[in-house]
Amino acid sequence: DAGVIQSPRHEVTEMGQEVTLRCKPISGHNSLFWYRQTMMRGLELLIYFNNNVPIDDSGMPEDRFSAKMPNASFSTLKIQPSEPRDSAVYFCASSQGGTIRDTQYFGPGTRLTVL
Amino acid sequence: AQTVTQSQPEMSVQEAETVTLSCTYDTSESNYYLFWYKQPPSRQMILVIRQEAYKQQNATENRFSVNFQKAAKSFSLKISDSQLGDTAMYFCASRMDSNYQLIWGAGTKLIIKP
Repeated sequence: DAGVIQSPRHEVTEMGQEVTLRCKPISGHNSLFWYRQTMMRGLELLIYFNNNVPIDDSGMPEDRFSAKMPNASFSTLKIQPSEPRDSAVYFCASSQGGTIRDTQYFGPGTRLTVL
Repeated sequence: AQTVTQSQPEMSVQEAETVTLSCTYDTSESNYYLFWYKQPPSRQMILVIRQEAYKQQNATENRFSVNFQKAAKSFSLKISDSQLGDTAMYFCASRMDSNYQLIWGAGTKLIIKP
């Protein structure tokens, strides 16, 4: 059974460019989470979707960040324009439901470097 | 505020030894789940084990077991017969009934030496 799939695994871009990160959750999971991991701040929740609807985007740093989930099997996180401080590892995670009992399963992450 | 604390930034043990990683948490809720995730150098975040707060029996998964002390709000992870592949960052996390978010500890870097 395939786990959470993320692409690309690595992304190097220049400041000011648009970056799009992609995620395919585990089939049958209806909750999706985007996280950012940095040495300074650890793991931060950026946004949470349930049944394709954004429930909480309070962790999205600023207007340069946007996330969409057009269907149950695909989500994107976009940064436009990108800045060096956006350099981090971005994880997508999914769970079967949004309840306390539902374990979050993580994708392999995308390492983003903004020069 | 709900918090999770891992007081050991780094640990190292010899292969085949047993090691225990510490985690404490703070919550006023009665229903919650606790998790240990492993992040090897590949960066993949892998669920190791989870514990339901209302279950008194400690969870076990092969060589991994937890010591859940609810009154003390402690949730330590024991790795028996440690292997080189256990080298990773280990994160403790909690999830409360009132909040879908995972609250993360800062992590413990575990090194298994041959």
